[in-house]
Amino acid sequence: SAVISQKPSRDICQRGTSLTIQCQVDSQVTMMFWYRQQPGQSLTLIATANQGSEATYESGFVIDKFPISRPNLTFSTLTVSNMSPEDSSIYLCSVVEEGGQPQHFGDGTRLSIL
Amino acid sequence: DAKTTQPPSMDCAEGRAANLPCNHSTISGNEYVYWYRQIHSQGPQYIIHGLKNNETNEMASLIITEDRKSSTLILPHATLRDTAVYYCIVRVWAAGNKLTFGGGTRVLVKP
Repeated sequence: SAVISQKPSRDICQRGTSLTIQCQVDSQVTMMFWYRQQPGQSLTLIATANQGSEATYESGFVIDKFPISRPNLTFSTLTVSNMSPEDSSIYLCSVVEEGGQPQHFGDGTRLSIL
Repeated sequence: DAKTTQPPSMDCAEGRAANLPCNHSTISGNEYVYWYRQIHSQGPQYIIHGLKNNETNEMASLIITEDRKSSTLILPHATLRDTAVYYCIVRVWAAGNKLTFGGGTRVLVKP
């Protein structure tokens, strides 16, 4: 399966700032997703990253807070904007190599907001 | 996607088979059963999936009841490295490929 690299692996940020998380895949994939995992909780889908067009956001998540880019078939970014302590979570990228195949996940970015 | 119910936690003995149940009584005919696990500080790892036939791969076996309302993931010889949260998910094949994670089962393999 595809190898997924996320950067940074962890960060500590000040409230009110923004952080961009990168997801790089070692092969072209059809679909890329971003998930959030709050402390002690399960994963929640934030959005589907669409190549060359705006991401598709799930209920409760908006583009102004979580802008997403996907310029090609191997790379995507998620920005967490105007951060508050409630944004302290693990953010995970996942990919599907071909339609219908299982999703595979990166190891996530552990984000703490002070 | 159909809702799943899993026990919140279970202990298993190292070297023994671990049987993880999942109830999905409202599953539709075109929904598959997927299993993932999440080891501490890692992203979820795909294990196996199936529609109605039993499936086996190098990691585990998936047993789906004839009425498809429940399934069991079997780890044939549990090791300490199998300690993780195991998620059972049902969804339609290629339906946007979205995954809806429930609470999962926290499995602790003990020596």
